[in-house]
Amino acid sequence: EIVMTQSPATLSVSPGERATLSCRASQSVSSNLAWYQQKPGQAPRLLIYGASTRATGIPARFSGSGSGTEFTLTISSLQSEDFAVYYCQQYNNWLGFTFGPGTKVDIK
Amino acid sequence: EVQLVQSGAEVKKPGESLKISCKGSGYSFTSYWIGWVRQMPGKGLEWMGIIYPGDSDTRYSPSFQGQVTISADKSISTAYLQWSSLKASDTAMYYCARCGSGSCYYWGQGTLVTVSS
Repeated sequence: EIVMTQSPATLSVSPGERATLSCRASQSVSSNLAWYQQKPGQAPRLLIYGASTRATGIPARFSGSGSGTEFTLTISSLQSEDFAVYYCQQYNNWLGFTFGPGTKVDIK
Repeated sequence: EVQLVQSGAEVKKPGESLKISCKGSGYSFTSYWIGWVRQMPGKGLEWMGIIYPGDSDTRYSPSFQGQVTISADKSISTAYLQWSSLKASDTAMYYCARCGSGSCYYWGQGTLVTVSS
């Protein structure tokens, strides 16, 4: 099974600042990597797929990069609605997709 | 409009069986994978498995293989997740999602399953 790790576990950021979240895979997942945002009491929301393609309706302040085993989600200027938990997910191995443990972005 | 509507919350006793559902509408149900995701209280997302309703091709995460059964009835555009014998550790929110090539854009509202004696 491919193990996903995310860092940091918690990121404290002020509104308007830039946030950089990291995700690492235990083996190469090529560009088969997605990022999701989840707010309390809500289902996850797809932000990025294919490591760097924004999903429909996702603001341009969200961007993804990376390939292989190292990936980054950047939020260029945090808005109040962006404080949430962010998960990466690999879908390279069809015997078992896996999520990372999540990064909580909270208000500094 | 694409929608995934999940069945309502359940309260069960250990050892009981359960089948929850996820009904798709607004798209061709047989043309997209449906995935299931578990979220235990206060915890992260866990991938359980995925089914292609068009031909019922089903893939389970190793952690959930043998623990649950994923199925679909394409005649009524509904996917299912079932347990034959629930445990207290199955207490969680369960989400279904429509997935294209692995990433999942549309999600159900979640079904809360509580297992308690």
